[in-house]
Amino acid sequence: EVQLVQSGAEVKKTGESLKISCKGSGYKFTSYWISWVRQMPGKGLEWMGTIDPSDSYTKYSPSFQGHVTISVDKSITTAYLQWSSLKASDTAIYYCARPYSGSYDLEYWGQGILVTVSS
Amino acid sequence: QSALTQPASVSGSPGQSITISCTGSSSDVGVYNYVAWYQHHPDKAPKLMIYDVSKRPSGVSNRFSGSKSGNTASLSISGLQAEDEADYYCSSYTSSGTYVFGTGTKVTVL
Repeated sequence: EVQLVQSGAEVKKTGESLKISCKGSGYKFTSYWISWVRQMPGKGLEWMGTIDPSDSYTKYSPSFQGHVTISVDKSITTAYLQWSSLKASDTAIYYCARPYSGSYDLEYWGQGILVTVSS
Repeated sequence: QSALTQPASVSGSPGQSITISCTGSSSDVGVYNYVAWYQHHPDKAPKLMIYDVSKRPSGVSNRFSGSKSGNTASLSISGLQAEDEADYYCSSYTSSGTYVFGTGTKVTVL
């Protein structure tokens, strides 16, 4: 069974750093890109970026380029999303997702991580 | 890149059919067949309902169907049921090698 299991909810202060994770299992991890998706409170889904676990090549949405870093450790089949300095506007639910075989469309999703940033 | 445009809300009575539109551009919906639709219930992960414009993943009801014409994609739901009440998002691959979601549509079953 394909699963993406994300780390737990986070409560942080503005200016702090954060790294959240997404562990894939039940499939060949290096064969499928992992994307990250944001949902701010009361808002829609936003695609943030994606990574190829086989070589760590990344592609970011222009809206998120330079604000977050996506990385992967294929030895433990885990992808990461990190911030060096959080802002209150980073408060959101963050999902990781894996595409359908042969497509770019996102079939498997993690359960989501609520990140709350306050001053 | 701008979000794809969807109506904010669509409603229908049980048993009726509804259609949700998703308008993009010649840089995304108009040139790629990687158009998908997701159902999103509050406090749950989004669920892929349609991929590659009109294909249904295993387990998704055949009451859901997708199509595309030019820069506009559509999701149709027939035989509307109470459980269909949710937010729906379209998405598309883009010529920049990125991915973009629609603005989202709240479906209400009257």
